[in-house]
Amino acid sequence: EIVLTQSPGTLSLSPGERATLSCRASQSVSSIYLAWYQQKPGQAPRLLIYGASSRATGIPDRFSGSGSGTDFTLTISRLEPEDFAVYYCQQYGSSPLTFGGGTKVEIK
Amino acid sequence: EVQLVESGGGLVKPGGSLRLSCAASGFTFSSYSMNWVRQAPGKGLEWVSSISISGSYIYYADSLKGRFTISRDNAKNSLYLQMNSLRADDTAVYYCARGFGGPLDYMDVWGKGTTVTVSS
Repeated sequence: EIVLTQSPGTLSLSPGERATLSCRASQSVSSIYLAWYQQKPGQAPRLLIYGASSRATGIPDRFSGSGSGTDFTLTISRLEPEDFAVYYCQQYGSSPLTFGGGTKVEIK
Repeated sequence: EVQLVESGGGLVKPGGSLRLSCAASGFTFSSYSMNWVRQAPGKGLEWVSSISISGSYIYYADSLKGRFTISRDNAKNSLYLQMNSLRADDTAVYYCARGFGGPLDYMDVWGKGTTVTVSS
């Protein structure tokens, strides 16, 4: 099983600041099969990024993903008020599918 | 509008059973793999199970094997999760999610979830 470790657990930032979220895998993720999701309280997750760096339909370009192998990053270039949420990474290169524990981006 | 709507959640006693359903609309259900993902109160996301387009390929989280069964009815545009021998730690919101490609893929459309509470 591929274990995904997200850091930090909580990120306290102000609107307009840059957010950098990390996702580290316990073993290499096949062919960059890494996705990122955003979840707001009381809502279902929303797909942001797939293939490590491809934005899903309708996702603003302030969201970007990068990385390969075991180290992946989600960057939000300038935080908007609606971006404060919990973010999860997920690998889909092998079974079982696994999610990271999440990073909460909160308003400082 | 692409939509997934879960139903069937509720309060059940330990050892009991429950069958969740997910009704799909707005897209060709028979062209997509499907998944169940759950989230315990205050916790992160946990993948439960995936099923391929035809139902020929099925995958489960190791911790759930033998207790949960995923199935689909393409004629009814519906996904199901039969849950048996339920335990307190199965308490969670259960989400139905569309897989973009094969049965092991990212999930591009999610339902709002249905809540399962296992308690005596």
